[in-house]
Amino acid sequence: GAGVSQSPSNKVTEKGKDVELRCDPISGHTALYWYRQSLGQGLEFLIYFQGNSAPDKSGLPSDRFSAERTGGSVSTLTIQRTQQEDSAVYLCASSLVGGPGTGELFFGEGSRLTVL
Amino acid sequence: AQSVAQPEDQVNVAEGNPLTVKCTYSVSGNPYLFWYVQYPNRGLQFLLKYITGDNLVKGSYGFEAEFNKSQTSFHLKKPSALVSDSALYFCAPTRWGKLQFGAGTQVVVTP
Repeated sequence: GAGVSQSPSNKVTEKGKDVELRCDPISGHTALYWYRQSLGQGLEFLIYFQGNSAPDKSGLPSDRFSAERTGGSVSTLTIQRTQQEDSAVYLCASSLVGGPGTGELFFGEGSRLTVL
Repeated sequence: AQSVAQPEDQVNVAEGNPLTVKCTYSVSGNPYLFWYVQYPNRGLQFLLKYITGDNLVKGSYGFEAEFNKSQTSFHLKKPSALVSDSALYFCAPTRWGKLQFGAGTQVVVTP
C-alpha cells in the first residue's frame, strides 16, 4: 500500500501476556518511529530506527518494551508481561531522511492496545 | 536536550475568526520545526514545516506558521477558522531526526 500500515488495529489482552505490534512503513523510507498516545495525553516517543544505525531507544519506558526492524523495513514492537498502564494507542511513522522531505513523518492509523 | 511547549491545552474560536496555536521550543542550533494535526479518530497528518529561508511558512488547509528565532517560537495561524479545523494540533521541533512532540492543543471551532 501507499501508506504506513499497522496491525492489529485493536488488541485486547490480559495483564501479564505478551503482545506484538507490527508496522509496515512506506517503501523507501529509511526512518521509522514508534510513539505512544495515551488517553488525553500527547505523543510519547518510544524508539527511532534510522537506516542501519543503532536505534535510539531512549524513549522505551521499561525493559518490558523492545522493538526490532528487520531488513530495514518492517518493525515489530513487543511488550512483555503487559500491565494496565500499557493501554494506549501505539503509533508508527516513517520518513525519508535527507533532502526536501526530511522530517515529514507519515503516520499509520495506530494499534489500540487494551490491557485488562 | 530539546523540548517544546504548547502553553494552551485548548483554544476556542468562533468560525470565521482568526486562529492561533502557540508553540515555543528549546533546541540548540538551527532546528527543523513541524506542525501536525490529528482529526478525531484519524491518524496524524503533516501540516507544514520550517527548515530554512522565509520565516513565514504556508501549509495545508490554509494554515501558516511564523518562525521567530529571537522568541524561539513557531506559532500556527489561520486567518479564518472553519468548524472542520476542530482537531488536536501538535508542534514538533527536531534537530537530529527524532521529532519530539508537544503535548498538543485541542482546537474547538464553534459555528
